[in-house]
Amino acid sequence: NAGVTQTPKFQVLKTGQSMTLQCAQDMNHNSMYWYRQDPGMGLRLIYYSASEGTTDKGEVPNGYNVSRLNKREFSLRLESAAPSQTSVYFCASSEDFEELSFGPGTRLTVL
Amino acid sequence: RKEVEQDPGPFNVPEGATVAFNCTYSNSASQSFFWYRQDCRKEPKLLMSVYSSGNEDGRFTAQLNRASQYISLLIRDSKLSDSATYLCVVNGGKLIFGQGTELSVKP
Repeated sequence: NAGVTQTPKFQVLKTGQSMTLQCAQDMNHNSMYWYRQDPGMGLRLIYYSASEGTTDKGEVPNGYNVSRLNKREFSLRLESAAPSQTSVYFCASSEDFEELSFGPGTRLTVL
Repeated sequence: RKEVEQDPGPFNVPEGATVAFNCTYSNSASQSFFWYRQDCRKEPKLLMSVYSSGNEDGRFTAQLNRASQYISLLIRDSKLSDSATYLCVVNGGKLIFGQGTELSVKP
């Protein structure tokens, strides 16, 4: 089992560009999450999906959109990237808000 | 006020020391609680769940105090390999992290 996979691992964008971060899990988990982590801070919840077909805002949703494509996949889109979105992005999944399994992260720099 | 708060540290302790971290939460309806460990900004890994009755796993003990709305993590006989950032997570309908507490264990 691959667990939780994320692509890309690294990305550099210019201000105003758009991109989609991909996440997939093969553990048949119902819930999936997107977090961002900035230096000196913990993980902040951007969006989550409690189950296939539902998505909800987390702590810091502004500037992002998500799609729960199916039970396996949960993507995060930046429509117009800003330098404040420079961060490490972690995708995670869990069975009903229990133990989180994380992907390896995407390191995004917006110039 | 943040939903979940931790003392960011850093905590610098010698090998063999006992160290304790606290984490407070604001949502009294929170259902489940966890401690995660993160090394060098890699992905966090589950250290232990926190049960109402408290639980122990080797040198690690986690406790929950619902009345005062905090959870704690006690590490006994610290090892160099315990150096990491420790993150508490609270489930109040969504999984919210504290900002993490950095621990550095020195020889």
